[in-house]
Amino acid sequence: GESVGLHLPTLSVQEGDNSIINCAYSNSASDYFIWYKQESGKGPQFIIDIRSNMDKRQGQRVTVLLNKTVKHLSLQIAATQPGDSAVYFCAETLTSGTYKYIFGTGTRLKVLA
Amino acid sequence: GAVVSQHPSRVICKSGTSVKIECRSLDFQATTMFWYRQFPKQSLMLMATSNEGSKATYEQGVEKDKFLINHASLTLSTLTVTSAHPEDSSFYICSARSRRNEKLFFGSGTQLSVL
Repeated sequence: GESVGLHLPTLSVQEGDNSIINCAYSNSASDYFIWYKQESGKGPQFIIDIRSNMDKRQGQRVTVLLNKTVKHLSLQIAATQPGDSAVYFCAETLTSGTYKYIFGTGTRLKVLA
Repeated sequence: GAVVSQHPSRVICKSGTSVKIECRSLDFQATTMFWYRQFPKQSLMLMATSNEGSKATYEQGVEKDKFLINHASLTLSTLTVTSAHPEDSSFYICSARSRRNEKLFFGSGTQLSVL
């Protein structure tokens, strides 16, 4: 039968406001992290990445913060736009060994007009 | 960014048939490709890791005889769902990593519906 799906946490933000999406990662040894955006029915799209030797990295309208002490990542989106509405996932990996990428549970961002 | 092409985007098949999904890296050589499965409103679940020219490494709980993975070249990996059943219905996504960096790029996904 059909499995019961978990409901993704949802963040609702007014258009033009800043969004902060959080992620707790699992492996303290992970040394590389990526944020992805996934729109309905599509594959994840790369947004921004950060290595473990950094605690902040900025892109165009996006900033990723890394707190290794508490194994926490956040994605900040400035001046959120309707096109930012999607599900956002963080992914972690260890760049030695098998290089597997493990994904967080995801957050749905809804931008309100 | 790098382009990963995945086909078909959608497939509907009868129970008991096999379905092949292709994943191609179009502008880079993919040393490693990963196959994920995603249920509605859930995260991506890693099924297997495939390195060019070697056997795929499957995650715990994923049947290797059910989900056949072939990575015959540096630009192509295939996932074959053998003897598909309705419980195999899902969104399957491939991804690829180049030898030059750690970034992981994704295909557009395949929605499999088994009747």
